Amino acid sequence: SQTIHQWPATLVQPVGSPLSLECTVEGTSNPNLYWYRQAAGRGLQLLFYSVGIGQISSEVPQNLSASRPQDRQFILSSKKLLLSDSGFYLCAWSTGGGETQYFGPGTRLLVL
Amino acid sequence: DQQVKQNSPSLSVQEGRISILNCDYTNSMFDYFLWYKKYPAEGPTFLISISSIKDKNEDGRFTVFLNKSAKHLSLHIVPSQPGDSAVYFCAASGDAGGTSYGKLTFGQGTILTVHP
Repeated sequence: SQTIHQWPATLVQPVGSPLSLECTVEGTSNPNLYWYRQAAGRGLQLLFYSVGIGQISSEVPQNLSASRPQDRQFILSSKKLLLSDSGFYLCAWSTGGGETQYFGPGTRLLVL
Repeated sequence: DQQVKQNSPSLSVQEGRISILNCDYTNSMFDYFLWYKKYPAEGPTFLISISSIKDKNEDGRFTVFLNKSAKHLSLHIVPSQPGDSAVYFCAASGDAGGTSYGKLTFGQGTILTVHP
């Protein structure tokens, strides 16, 4: 069966510091991968998606970037965090031709 | 532009009764719809989905209804249980102006509280 992992679970970072959140998927090959953010009291906003290694599409202009160095690894990064980057970050995967996405446990980021 | 809307921020229901969660969408290109359940500090869990070629899909206590002409879908939970208390998100997928690659557009969520 497929599983999706995210770490860390919680992160507190100062403004201006770098960020690296990691997501890995097991039990499937060539998945589509997604990064979402849920700000406090709001819905899920798609940040990035990837249909293959090195292929990243950005949905909204922002202070973040994403990379996919391996088939089942998706990384969310920032060189300098802003206060507005605080939120709950979710990674999700779907099969290449599928439309149902399955989510990881999430990372809660607090930028102070 | 909010293409998927859940106009009720919260819903309170007595245990054993029916919970009805509603969702409206504006983009007629959406052709696949999903409901997710989310507990605080956890990732959303997939509940049930429906393709635009159907108007109803049932899975145990959960039934999703789709009214394409009204661009409206609803999730019925019968009977409701206290463990159903969570945030429910509807989501839509389709060729919304380009190659969608399975991208989902989510509503804002509805907090369901089921009282014992």
